[in-house]
Amino acid sequence: SQKIEQNSEALNIQEGKTATLTCNYTNYSPAYLQWYRQDPGRGPVFLLLIRENEKEKRKERLKVTFDTTLKQSLFHITASQPADSATYLCALDEGTGRRALTFGSGTRLQVQP
Amino acid sequence: KAGVTQTPRYLIKTRGQQVTLSCSPISGHRSVSWYQQTPGQGLQFLFEYFSETQRNKGNFPGRFSGRQFSNSRSEMNVSTLELGDSALYLCASSSSGSGSYEQYFGPGTRLTVT
Repeated sequence: SQKIEQNSEALNIQEGKTATLTCNYTNYSPAYLQWYRQDPGRGPVFLLLIRENEKEKRKERLKVTFDTTLKQSLFHITASQPADSATYLCALDEGTGRRALTFGSGTRLQVQP
Repeated sequence: KAGVTQTPRYLIKTRGQQVTLSCSPISGHRSVSWYQQTPGQGLQFLFEYFSETQRNKGNFPGRFSGRQFSNSRSEMNVSTLELGDSALYLCASSSSGSGSYEQYFGPGTRLTVT
């Protein structure tokens, strides 16, 4: 069956360090992989999108990698700040053009000052 | 541009009742998707509308339905509410342009069924 796995346990890191979050999937062939941030009681906010033929994408302090052989995406936040504390969700899009994302359960990141 | 808006923000209903939730997408966005978020199941896709037509549907019972109007505003309806329908219902809009696959979410409607 199809499955998307993210670290279910919270990730605690010190301010200034790099946070690395993992998204693994099975039985999918995503054309796109997206990362979102969600704060408590709010809707997810789009961060980055990476295509299946791209290995890496960067935006300011954020970096995403996408390995279709390993069926894994890594999401990095460099120089992390307490304001980065949130739940981060990965989402797969099989590229049919229909906006039906399949989300992982999310990883809660806590950045300690 | 104004973001995605959803009304109402909070709703309390009784088992067996029905409920209608509303979503106004970002101006110019023609695709509207609905998701249900619960602590146990996470974010799950309900359905997507584009140009007033349902393009895709998730694995939910027929009690969940929706529609889209000519101005792209969308509503979803849940009939015969069950306790398990308590959730955060999120609406997301997306540009219909090619390559524009990111979705913009509203703040959600928190539905509690008692």
